[in-house]
Amino acid sequence: EAQVTQNPRYLITVTGKKLTVTCSQNMNHEYMSWYRQDPGLGLRQIYYSMNVEVTDKGDVPEGYKVSRKEKRNFPLILESPSPNQTSLYFCATRQGSSQPQHFGDGTRLSIL
Amino acid sequence: GQSLEQPSEVTAVEGAIVQINCTYQTSGFYGLSWYQQHDGGAPTFLSYNALDGLEETGRFSSFLSRSDSYGYLLLQELQMKDSASYFCAVMSGQNFVFGPGTRLSVLP
Repeated sequence: EAQVTQNPRYLITVTGKKLTVTCSQNMNHEYMSWYRQDPGLGLRQIYYSMNVEVTDKGDVPEGYKVSRKEKRNFPLILESPSPNQTSLYFCATRQGSSQPQHFGDGTRLSIL
Repeated sequence: GQSLEQPSEVTAVEGAIVQINCTYQTSGFYGLSWYQQHDGGAPTFLSYNALDGLEETGRFSSFLSRSDSYGYLLLQELQMKDSASYFCAVMSGQNFVFGPGTRLSVLP
């Protein structure tokens, strides 16, 4: 079964404590992206990757890091989380640049 | 930069037809997509238009006019399960930009 798996699904943490949200896909897709979703703002792309070791900034990259060491994994790293990063985060993958995106189930982060 | 506009809310009754509009401003354009998201769920892909015209997939159709920077999603024979948020999205380069979403409420 085609899957995009995010972990954790929920996390409450405190300002400044480094955290990583993992994303793994089993579809051998080249493209992977991270989005945050906030009420009234839709989904905003944080970072994307077109292949292993190829990443680029989206619209809201400040405060986030990513890496793509393997094709299947694309972790999102918050080195020093702040309350304005409290949000719902989605990882997505797609085979080609204009192909449909497949989303993970989401990770709800609360940073106090 | 890029921006997309959609109505924030639409209400319709079961069995009716509803159209959700999307206008966009973008530098570079590679297509308009539509996604559905139920409360508490992940977005799921509905349709994609790269060229002008109408694409039909079952009860859902999507239209694009590149000259007008405009598209719409048409939902026919509405069902209660269609109550959800609907997002248009454009690709500009490799960057995906989503609209703010339209919340569709289907009434019995």
